[in-house]
Amino acid sequence: GQNIDQPTEMTATEGAIVQINCTYQTSGFNGLFWYQQHAGEAPTFLSYNVLDGLEEKGRFSSFLSRSKGYSYLLLKELQMKDSASYLCAVRAFTGGGNKLTFGTGTQLKVEL
Amino acid sequence: DGGITQSPKYLFRKEGQNVTLSCEQNLNHDAMYWYRQDPGQGLRLIYYSQIVNDFQKGDIAEGYSVSREKKESFPLTVTSAQKNPTAFYLCASSKQGQETQYFGPGTRLLVL
Repeated sequence: GQNIDQPTEMTATEGAIVQINCTYQTSGFNGLFWYQQHAGEAPTFLSYNVLDGLEEKGRFSSFLSRSKGYSYLLLKELQMKDSASYLCAVRAFTGGGNKLTFGTGTQLKVEL
Repeated sequence: DGGITQSPKYLFRKEGQNVTLSCEQNLNHDAMYWYRQDPGQGLRLIYYSQIVNDFQKGDIAEGYSVSREKKESFPLTVTSAQKNPTAFYLCASSKQGQETQYFGPGTRLLVL
């Protein structure tokens, strides 16, 4: 099976930087995704890592260390609209194909 | 516009009633998925389909059924056997099984 851990809640200040961590345990690792989900809405894709290292996309960056089973999502220059839940999802290859398993999400609150 | 649509946005189910949630995509994606989201929990996979006329059970398939007669459509039926159907249901699709999943806007199902 798979186990994904991420903090339940985080609070940060507008304009600051925040790092949301995700640790996972799985066999057949085949990629890690980060999604953003505003309350009552669908998750939207933010980033994808399959190799070790940092992927940067504007104000958002995601890092992966496969040997440590660890990823983080870095949000810079925080804006109020960044208040949302951030979902870490791990894809693993199983006998039936690739399967995506989601963490419970980190609720980020951005304050003035 | 290309995308994934789900209808209705809200759905009410009476005791002992089957209800069907619609999911349509015009992205020419081969794979489609149904997830359930409950408060404080991650998305859980109900069913998925990688090609037309074929689908597989996810982690929580009991009390649900699906069909995949067309590439564009993947309806989910919540049967009376599902004793706790109240949840937010999300449909997703991906070009192939191993690629990024994109989500529809969701259907919130409530029991009367």
